[in-house]
Amino acid sequence: QVQLQESGPGLVKPSETLSLTCTVSGGSIDNYYWSWIRQPPGKGLEWIGNIYYSGSTTYNPSLKSRVTISIDTSKNHFSLKLTSVNAADTAVYYCARMPSYSPYTNNWFDPWGQGTLVSVYS
Amino acid sequence: YVLTQPPSVSVAPGQTARITCGGDNIGSKRVHWYQQKPGQAPVLVVYADRDRPSGIPERFSGFNSGNTATLTISRVEAGDEADYYCQVWDSNTDLWVFGGGTTLTVL
Repeated sequence: QVQLQESGPGLVKPSETLSLTCTVSGGSIDNYYWSWIRQPPGKGLEWIGNIYYSGSTTYNPSLKSRVTISIDTSKNHFSLKLTSVNAADTAVYYCARMPSYSPYTNNWFDPWGQGTLVSVYS
Repeated sequence: YVLTQPPSVSVAPGQTARITCGGDNIGSKRVHWYQQKPGQAPVLVVYADRDRPSGIPERFSGFNSGNTATLTISRVEAGDEADYYCQVWDSNTDLWVFGGGTTLTVL
């Protein structure tokens, strides 16, 4: 079965760029949407954005100016970049898969990676 | 678009837990539910209002109508203790939205 694994630095300084990669194993990255979701410590879930295997993206409007999601189908992974981070960006960051049933806006996140904690501090 | 969940629900083992998710005309949307145990990633337990992924017990069921969606867990077990989140897509903001989460406590 498909598994997702996040990787990247656990500490980022304020105003710098957070960079994470999600590696997909046990299945192809093709024909699905792929998502990033985050969860501040002790709080709820916040959707960050989606990318289709073809490269088209959709972002949370509140983060859109700072977020870039990209995909490398040859390496079966996709990535997140969040610029100009501050303490409010401290969170566990999850990657997840979204099926491509139509309309895709009705779809769900399954499975999820185990998550990686990224702390922003100087 | 705001999804409103009760912060907590408590139930004795073997009883039925009902976790609600309120939203304006949520019955017109497709609602998905996730279970998150401490220190773990969320797991999908119900999708598209009432369907269960493979491997999820039949004890988990969903219903969605009007302004409320409900996740029902029958014959609750200690292992069901977790946070539960509902999720929809909001067409007005093109945003995937989560409820604030409900902590299920098994007494």
